Amino acid sequence: DAGVTQSPTHLIKTRGQQVTLRCSPISGHKSVSWYQQVLGQGPQFIFQYYEKEERGRGNFPDRFSARQFPNYSSELNVNALLLGDSALYLCASRYRQGDYGYTFGSGTRLTVV
Amino acid sequence: AQSVTQLDSHVSVSEGTPVLLRCNYSSSYSPSLFWYVQHPNKGLQLLLKYTSAATLVKGINGFEAEFKKSETSFHLTKPSAHMSDAAEYFCVVSDPKDSGGGADGLTFGKGTHLIIQP
Repeated sequence: DAGVTQSPTHLIKTRGQQVTLRCSPISGHKSVSWYQQVLGQGPQFIFQYYEKEERGRGNFPDRFSARQFPNYSSELNVNALLLGDSALYLCASRYRQGDYGYTFGSGTRLTVV
Repeated sequence: AQSVTQLDSHVSVSEGTPVLLRCNYSSSYSPSLFWYVQHPNKGLQLLLKYTSAATLVKGINGFEAEFKKSETSFHLTKPSAHMSDAAEYFCVVSDPKDSGGGADGLTFGKGTHLIIQP
């Protein structure tokens, strides 16, 4: 079985641009979460989606948005990119709420110049 | 509010010697605790988890951790380090609101970089 897959693996954008990151969860997993990991820090929670509804949001500005599709894949969108948005963006999936079996993808490395 | 403190940013040990990575947590509720490992340019891999069952938790690759409520600690240990253990390790606490429909709320520590000397 494929694990959590994220695309693209690397991305370079210019300040002010918009970016869309994609995540495909493990087959059968209905919950997807997004995390931002700045270099040298632990991941920070951005969003959680379960059954296509937003179930939680971390302390991030409204420039960050996400959605989950009927096939449970997810997109993270970031508008008006800032240099400080440069980070590794991680997606994690699990079967359902309350399940502690999170599986993380390898991430998308976003560089804003 | 919950928080995690990893007491060492870097730990260096010789191959074959014991490993101790220290973690203290703060939580208003009965927490769930995890250790994750991240190798360079890789995603996060779950080593072990504590979810209010046995306080001594055994994980993969010979790692184990002991939940000590009185000390609010969840230290990670391994009897004998291997070169392949060199990586970044994260202690993580889970938001109890998560059970049944709340936010995800995984809170990560800042990480401990484990260096294995030959």
